[in-house]
Amino acid sequence: QKEVEQNSGPLSVPEGAIASLNCTYSDRGSQSFFWYRQYSGKSPELIMSIYSNGDKEDGRFTAQLNKASQYVSLLIRDSQPSDSATYLCAVNPGANNLFFGTGTRLTVIP
Amino acid sequence: DAGVTQSPTHLIKTRGQQVTLRCSPKSGHDTVSWYQQALGQGPQFIFQYYEEEERQRGNFPDRFSGHQFPNYSSELNVNALLLGDSALYLCASSTRVDQPQHFGDGTRLSIL
Repeated sequence: QKEVEQNSGPLSVPEGAIASLNCTYSDRGSQSFFWYRQYSGKSPELIMSIYSNGDKEDGRFTAQLNKASQYVSLLIRDSQPSDSATYLCAVNPGANNLFFGTGTRLTVIP
Repeated sequence: DAGVTQSPTHLIKTRGQQVTLRCSPKSGHDTVSWYQQALGQGPQFIFQYYEEEERQRGNFPDRFSGHQFPNYSSELNVNALLLGDSALYLCASSTRVDQPQHFGDGTRLSIL
């Protein structure tokens, strides 16, 4: 059973703060990891992908991967009200299908 | 450059009926995956098509079937609909190398 777990939400942060979203996965052989953002009533939108241990930065977003700990995280710096959404962690166990967590709902308070 | 397109946007059916959902992948993508997303949950993998064949399947009953056409577009068919099949059905496309999947806007299916 391939499981992906995300930190329970909802998460509220003030505008301008750093939002930290966490995810653990059970399949040690997983090779690629993704963060999707999903606004209410919309489909998931890819915001970050990460394939190797360490940090990957893209604008205000930083993804962190630690394969030994089977842990992946997403940091959002200078959070904006438009970042308010549900963030989904997805893991590819190697066959190019994705296993998703249940998501963490983030609210950025102006 | 068109992204992933799905039709219809919304659909209302009754129990026992059958439904067909359609998906056209992003230009340059040849692999199509289907997901079911219940309210408040993450998407659940249904199956994946590549070269017109089902390559992988998640934990869904045989009532869920699909097809991929030579132009890479795909259909998802669900027979004998149950109330529990009410969900957002998402299509995602990708290339066969380990590249991210891109989602369409989904079809919201409601079963009465």
